[in-house]
Amino acid sequence: GQQVMQIPQYQHVQEGEDFTTYCNSSTTLSNIQWYKQRPGGHPVFLIQLVKSGEVKKQKRLTFQFGEAKKNSSLHITATQTTDVGTYFCAGPRGGSSGDKLTFGTGTRLAVRP
Amino acid sequence: DGGITQSPKYLFRKEGQNVTLSCEQNLNHDAMYWYRQDPGQGLRLIYYSQIVNDFQKGDIAEGYSVSREKKESFPLTVTSAQKNPTAFYLCASSTGLAGGSDTQYFGPGTRLTVL
Repeated sequence: GQQVMQIPQYQHVQEGEDFTTYCNSSTTLSNIQWYKQRPGGHPVFLIQLVKSGEVKKQKRLTFQFGEAKKNSSLHITATQTTDVGTYFCAGPRGGSSGDKLTFGTGTRLAVRP
Repeated sequence: DGGITQSPKYLFRKEGQNVTLSCEQNLNHDAMYWYRQDPGQGLRLIYYSQIVNDFQKGDIAEGYSVSREKKESFPLTVTSAQKNPTAFYLCASSTGLAGGSDTQYFGPGTRLTVL
């Protein structure tokens, strides 16, 4: 079945450093979504990418969808303590699976103040 | 104030007991989902429902049951057949209109501990 892997599993950075998480799917995706889960909280939708090679920015966050639509990345410039949490990518399962998403394994970000 | 509510926030259960987790949404969404999250892990799909009175098994349905009698409600029962039920349970919903492009909205979760 479809698998979505993320690396790294965990990263600890000094506040002000940059951070990147990578998402790789075993199948081509029609779109990819990114969610953030704060410690003890629930996942919250951040953004959706649809087009091959698409790049979107939200303040210090830059999201990219690969040309082959099988991978994606999230880059945070100059991390802040408010960026702490786990970042998940998610892709649709396709076919008769309707609205189901496959979530990636997640990357947990810790930020030293 | 629209959203998804889950109750209770924390739940303790003795081994061998069934327990039901509540999930209610007032977003008028057709699709609803239940996920299980273990410490340091991703989200695994337990059950999902695309419309009232219909639901399908997800990837880890064994030991769980659901019902969808109302559009707003999608309760999950963790039965005694679930061998390792201690986990964080998340309910989500989506419009059901955009297929795999739908954004999912999550409730605050229920943390279940089996004593």
